Amino acid sequence: GENVEQHPSTLSVQEGDSAVIKCTYSDSASNYFPWYKQELGKRPQLIIDIRSNVGEKKDQRIAVTLNKTAKHFSLHITETQPEDSAVYFCAADEYNFNKFYFGSGTKLNVKP
Amino acid sequence: EPEVTQTPSHQVTQMGQEVILRCVPISNHLYFYWYRQILGQKVEFLVSFYNNEISEKSEIFDDQFSVERPDGSNFTLKIRSTKLEDSAMYFCASSEASNVLTFGAGSRLTVL
Repeated sequence: GENVEQHPSTLSVQEGDSAVIKCTYSDSASNYFPWYKQELGKRPQLIIDIRSNVGEKKDQRIAVTLNKTAKHFSLHITETQPEDSAVYFCAADEYNFNKFYFGSGTKLNVKP
Repeated sequence: EPEVTQTPSHQVTQMGQEVILRCVPISNHLYFYWYRQILGQKVEFLVSFYNNEISEKSEIFDDQFSVERPDGSNFTLKIRSTKLEDSAMYFCASSEASNVLTFGAGSRLTVL
């Protein structure tokens, strides 16, 4: 089955700096890669996703890049704000397979 | 904005007891899922459900677990004989197509 590795486990940045979270996956059949943000005690919420037919996707301060050959994808947050502080999970899925595999999560702390 | 609703928000039970967790997916969604998250760990896939049958399940989803869609709105997860290690947050999710999950707020299960 798929194995998703996520690094780092914790990340502390100063407000205004950029944050990068990286994930690798093992199953070359995976072709859909969402990122979820989970605030303390709350549900995971989708913040951005990318399919394997594109290499990069951007939504305001958030971007995701995908390298299919190397089987890794990354989340980039620019101009970080304290409200970005949360746990971020990457996931991988074979499109239409209904079986998402999540990374172990990155706790992002944005210091004011 | 439509939401996935889950009940109860917290349930405490004795080891060996049966537990039923309930979910009301978003009304026009066709795919339903259960995930669990042990405290401080990653979100783990349990089962997906489509067209009134299980479409995928993980190795965690053994014979002690079952899912049911008893009517047109509810989606339930039953654990027949709970174990201490079943203590976790259980998230229901639904999707319109076979990705872009919308998670519920979760049901925290504590097994004593």
